[in-house]
Amino acid sequence: RKEVEQDPGPFNVPEGATVAFNCTYSNSASQSFFWYRQDCRKEPKLLMSVYSSGNEDGRFTAQLNRASQYISLLIRDSKLSDSATYLCVVNKARTGANNLFFGTGTRLTVIP
Amino acid sequence: EAGVAQSPRYKIIEKRQSVAFWCNPISGHATLYWYQQILGQGPKLLIQFQNNGVVDDSQLPKDRFSAERLKGVDSTLKIQPAKLEDSAVYLCASSLWPRGGNTIYFGEGSWLTVV
Repeated sequence: RKEVEQDPGPFNVPEGATVAFNCTYSNSASQSFFWYRQDCRKEPKLLMSVYSSGNEDGRFTAQLNRASQYISLLIRDSKLSDSATYLCVVNKARTGANNLFFGTGTRLTVIP
Repeated sequence: EAGVAQSPRYKIIEKRQSVAFWCNPISGHATLYWYQQILGQGPKLLIQFQNNGVVDDSQLPKDRFSAERLKGVDSTLKIQPAKLEDSAVYLCASSLWPRGGNTIYFGEGSWLTVV
């Protein structure tokens, strides 16, 4: 079973729409969770960390459900510039190492 | 503050040839990572260094891949001999961990095509 699983999409949504991505992880001992954004032919960049109580950054809201082992990302009022691949990332810390596992990414295209 | 630097940006080689990639992490970052990202997939960790020691190389194909970080700063990833399936982007990343947060920051990547 993969450490992190995501729906690869693509998600094609009109400008102004609300879109949500989910991601599941396999290891209940995972401790840190992130969403990264990757533009075409660019490196992944941190979008936001995901905290247990949920957190919001402008139009972006991240939620964590430890009981069900899933993470979500909600984007409100989608902009053309939100078009990218969104990578779910889960940390599995162990002695001496900081292991971050990446999902395959969910591709979003925002349409004018 | 300067980000993670990588070179070369692009490389095309024939199968069975060798190639080396260089990485300079963000200043002060103790941990350095090499990831492989194949088109359409997420990044996969190859090796993780803390200062100049290897802390995880469980997914590194050691028969053909090697990496070093001799002085705890710059790192080199080598592939010898290359196979067609090694065509990918090789992403170097660094983080403050364990002295700080575990967020990792990526370089722009080295694009490898094996023909």
